[in-house]
Amino acid sequence: DQQVKQNSPSLSVQEGRISILNCDYTNSMFDYFLWYKKYPAEGPTFLISISSIKDKNEDGRFTVFLNKSAKHLSLHIVPSQPGDSAVYFCAASPHTKTSYDKVIFGPGTSLSVIP
Amino acid sequence: DAGITQSPRHKVTETGTPVTLRCHQTENHRYMYWYRQDPGHGLRLIHYSYGVKDTDKGEVSDGYSVSRSKTEDFLLTLESATSSQTSVYFCAISPGQGRTEAFFGQGTRLTVV
Repeated sequence: DQQVKQNSPSLSVQEGRISILNCDYTNSMFDYFLWYKKYPAEGPTFLISISSIKDKNEDGRFTVFLNKSAKHLSLHIVPSQPGDSAVYFCAASPHTKTSYDKVIFGPGTSLSVIP
Repeated sequence: DAGITQSPRHKVTETGTPVTLRCHQTENHRYMYWYRQDPGHGLRLIHYSYGVKDTDKGEVSDGYSVSRSKTEDFLLTLESATSSQTSVYFCAISPGQGRTEAFFGQGTRLTVV
């Protein structure tokens, strides 16, 4: 059973609107969460992270919200741009500072931003 | 961009043949990882290394072996390739030292026919 779930395999959004990508996790031991972005034919790149001591982290157009009681996090992109079209992976870790053998990735959500 | 190179970028091989994928880094990072990416599964860890000659298994290690004889190189070997190993393989590196961000290579698309 997947410990990190991204139940929307794909999402389409108009340019300029908000994109909301959702992620749910089952393991209450997860303490640190990351989002990676992946363009076709490239490797994933780190986008933003959040520790469980926070419920929000913002970096420019990207904001991640964490609801620990619901075991849910979301990535908001405002405003969405065509260059944001990519696959977004949610990932979870039991510690803020850990090696990646402990990090679990979700299946990804493919975002298309329509001009 | 982190200095991480995967080779080859694409490979087609026949069932039963051995295949070796190479990951080379110029960052002197301690940790190196091999993942496979498959639809519906995201990135799954195959093997990882926490130093020269120090390696361990990940979630989906069956049918794979690794070696790390130098800090900069991490090899992934499929001893006898099967069609279920058709996938995109990513190498990643991380410095450890309290930093959780990892840097990924561009990937190797492997097709086993």
